[in-house]
Amino acid sequence: DAKTTQPNSMESNEEEPVHLPCNHSTISGTDYIHWYRQLPSQGPEYVIHGLTSNVNNRMASLAIAEDRKSSTLILHRATLRDAAVYYCILRDYNQGGKLIFGQGTELSVKP
Amino acid sequence: DAGVIQSPRHEVTEMGQEVTLRCKPISGHNSLFWYRQTMMRGLELLIYFNNNVPIDDSGMPEDRFSAKMPNASFSTLKIQPSEPRDSAVYFCASEVSGPYNEQFFGPGTRLTVL
Repeated sequence: DAKTTQPNSMESNEEEPVHLPCNHSTISGTDYIHWYRQLPSQGPEYVIHGLTSNVNNRMASLAIAEDRKSSTLILHRATLRDAAVYYCILRDYNQGGKLIFGQGTELSVKP
Repeated sequence: DAGVIQSPRHEVTEMGQEVTLRCKPISGHNSLFWYRQTMMRGLELLIYFNNNVPIDDSGMPEDRFSAKMPNASFSTLKIQPSEPRDSAVYFCASEVSGPYNEQFFGPGTRLTVL
């Protein structure tokens, strides 16, 4: 399974943008880049995913490097509710499409 | 939609006892996943089903663990006999299989084996 590397933790101030980086230098052409997050005492929840182009949805934006070896999850205005562990995952549907969770980035948001 | 439903939410048992965890996926979803989360090992995929058929059980730790999906609306994860190292939060998730779809997780079952 292709691996991802994320910082262990990051801090942000409320109402400021947050850029969460992810490196995936061994990504293959059939890997989709998925982001999930896990709020305290809850199950993970889907945030966003992309293949090659940048993506936007109501929760966040995903910026994908041209060579696809890295990506950045962007929260445009962090709120206290965004404090969670964020997981960057490569999902290869040709290999069954399993989600393999790493350690993720623990984001804390200060008021 | 009620989302993925798991029961029980909490289970405390003694070593050697049989434990059965239950999951009801979201209606219409054809893939179901069982995960385990501990502080030491993080979130691990145990097994997943597609159209009620087990596809990959390589994450099941040992023969004490078994999972079934008798129909599209119900799955069980059984541990027999249970051991203290099985203490963890067990999550069930479901999705409509495909490259553009998101996986929906249940609230989890917190298992404590004494």
